[in-house]
Amino acid sequence: AQTVTQSQPEMSVQEAETVTLSCTYDTSENNYYLFWYKQPPSRQMILVIRQEAYKQQNATENRFSVNFQKAAKSFSLKISDSQLGDTAMYFCAFMNGGSGNTGKLIFGQGTTLQVKP
Amino acid sequence: DSGVTQTPKHLITATGQRVTLRCSPRSGDLSVYWYQQSLDQGLQFLIQYYNGEERAKGNILERFSAQQFPDLHSELNLSSLELGDSALYFCASSPGVGQRETQYFGPGTRLLVL
Repeated sequence: AQTVTQSQPEMSVQEAETVTLSCTYDTSENNYYLFWYKQPPSRQMILVIRQEAYKQQNATENRFSVNFQKAAKSFSLKISDSQLGDTAMYFCAFMNGGSGNTGKLIFGQGTTLQVKP
Repeated sequence: DSGVTQTPKHLITATGQRVTLRCSPRSGDLSVYWYQQSLDQGLQFLIQYYNGEERAKGNILERFSAQQFPDLHSELNLSSLELGDSALYFCASSPGVGQRETQYFGPGTRLLVL
């Protein structure tokens, strides 16, 4: 069974600084997808970024980028130029992409990030 | 705004009762997923429906059931409620059967069982 682990329950960063959130996963599959979702105090789940395992290039969305290390089964999220609005809980999620599989997302435990002024 | 709507936003009820949570997917999306977020279990997948048919089942209790209607909205029914059922229940949707697709989440329904 696939598992997702976020080893940092809480992190903090100063505004305008860079922070990296860690995520590791365990799977025997070769075809899968990885996601980072953000959950601000409003509790809404917001997609931050998505990575296809077959792509070697790391995904980037504005100030958010990932470091995808397939062999190490690591998928970290880097937030550059942190803003107060980035304060939220961040969830790493795994989806098995093979044919016949469903869209079930497996989530990590989450990392609470606080951006300090 | 993800385009996924959920009602009600909050629900307070007593143990032993039954409640129904409602979800409307994004326009054009055929798959609906239900997730439960609790302090004990974190975020867990409950069930997926695709175009009216159940497609995948996760850690969903027998006291819970769901369905997807012809207009593609979905309802999650929780019965014989226990204190431990208190949680945030999310609905998400995606265009097709789910594999390889990004899911967009609704705002959630916060259930409190007293």
